[in-house]
Amino acid sequence: AQTVTQSQPEMSVQEAETVTLSCTYDTSESDYYLFWYKQPPSRQMILVIRQEAYKQQNATENRFSVNFQKAAKSFSLKISDSQLGDAAMYFCAYRHTGANSKLTFGKGITLSVRP
Amino acid sequence: DTGVSQDPRHKITKRGQNVTFRCDPISEHNRLYWYRQTLGQGPEFLTYFQNEAQLEKSRLLSDRFSAERPKGSFSTLEIQRTEQGDSAMYLCASSLDATGAKKGLFFGSGTQLSVL
Repeated sequence: AQTVTQSQPEMSVQEAETVTLSCTYDTSESDYYLFWYKQPPSRQMILVIRQEAYKQQNATENRFSVNFQKAAKSFSLKISDSQLGDAAMYFCAYRHTGANSKLTFGKGITLSVRP
Repeated sequence: DTGVSQDPRHKITKRGQNVTFRCDPISEHNRLYWYRQTLGQGPEFLTYFQNEAQLEKSRLLSDRFSAERPKGSFSTLEIQRTEQGDSAMYLCASSLDATGAKKGLFFGSGTQLSVL
């Protein structure tokens, strides 16, 4: 079974600074997708960024980028120029490419942004 | 595109009562998922549908839980004889069959259930 581990329960960053959120996963599959979701206090899950395992290039979406290390099964999220609106819970998630695959989430990390 | 819609947003019930939640997925999405999230935890998979067929159920889904998607559009999740341990946020998500794995799931705002 696939597992996703987020070992840091909380992190804090100064506004305008950069922060990195860690995630590791365990799978025997070679082809899969990885995601970071943001869940603000409204509790709506919002997709932040995704990575396809067969792509070596790290995904980037504006201020958000990932460091994908397939051999190490590591998938960290870097948030640059942190803004107050980035404060939320962040979940790392895994999904293999099979037809009946489902999304498996980590426990999440609470990010606070200091003004 | 109105996104994934869930109703109600909040539900307070007494232990032993039955409750039903509704989810309306994005209209062209044929896959619909139910997840449960307790405070401070990540969402846990409960079940999913492709069109009207329920393809997988988690062992978390006890006999008191039943989900339906009768016409392949909206879905309902019913919990019978609720227990305090059922208190959680129930999230619905949808995706396109062919591209869902690649693009991820689109989530609703959830139904927060409190069992007193």
